[in-house]
Amino acid sequence: GENVEQHPSTLSVQEGDSAVIKCTYSDSASNYFPWYKQELGKGPQLIIDIRSNVGEKKDQRIAVTLNKTAKHFSLHITETQPEDSAVYFCAPRIKAAGNKLTFGGGTRVLVKP
Amino acid sequence: EPEVTQTPSHQVTQMGQEVILRCVPISNHLYFYWYRQILGQKVEFLVSFYNNEISEKSEIFDDQFSVERPDGSNFTLKIRSTKLEDSAMYFCASSERAGQNEQFFGPGTRLTVL
Repeated sequence: GENVEQHPSTLSVQEGDSAVIKCTYSDSASNYFPWYKQELGKGPQLIIDIRSNVGEKKDQRIAVTLNKTAKHFSLHITETQPEDSAVYFCAPRIKAAGNKLTFGGGTRVLVKP
Repeated sequence: EPEVTQTPSHQVTQMGQEVILRCVPISNHLYFYWYRQILGQKVEFLVSFYNNEISEKSEIFDDQFSVERPDGSNFTLKIRSTKLEDSAMYFCASSERAGQNEQFFGPGTRLTVL
């Protein structure tokens, strides 16, 4: 099965600084790479995703980069704000394994004002 | 904006009792999922459902679990005889299509088995 690792597990940044979270996966057949944000008491919400034919995607302060050769993808948050404080999960999907998402262990991000 | 809803938000039950967790997926979505998250751990896939049948399930989804779409709007997860280790947040999700398609998650039901 797919093995998904996220680093770091916790990340504390000063407001305005950048945050980067890395996700490594084991199955080279993975073809969809989403990042989810989970706020306290809520379900995971998709914030950005990338398909395997694209190396980078940006949406305002959030970007995702994909390195298929090395089997990792990263979430970049620039100009962090207190409302970015949450737990972030990567959840790659293996094409041949149906539609299930395999979640990483999560990264707790704390943005200090 | 359409969203996935789940009821109840918190369910407390005694070990051995049956529970039914309810979900209303987004109305035009065709694929439905249940995931669970034990406190402090990662979100784990349980089951996916399409065209009124299970399309995939994990090893967690044993004979104690079942899913049903009893009508055109609800999607339920039943645990027949709850165990202490079933205590977790249960998330329902839905997607419009299969494949590289966003799964929208509900707010979750916290199940506590005493």
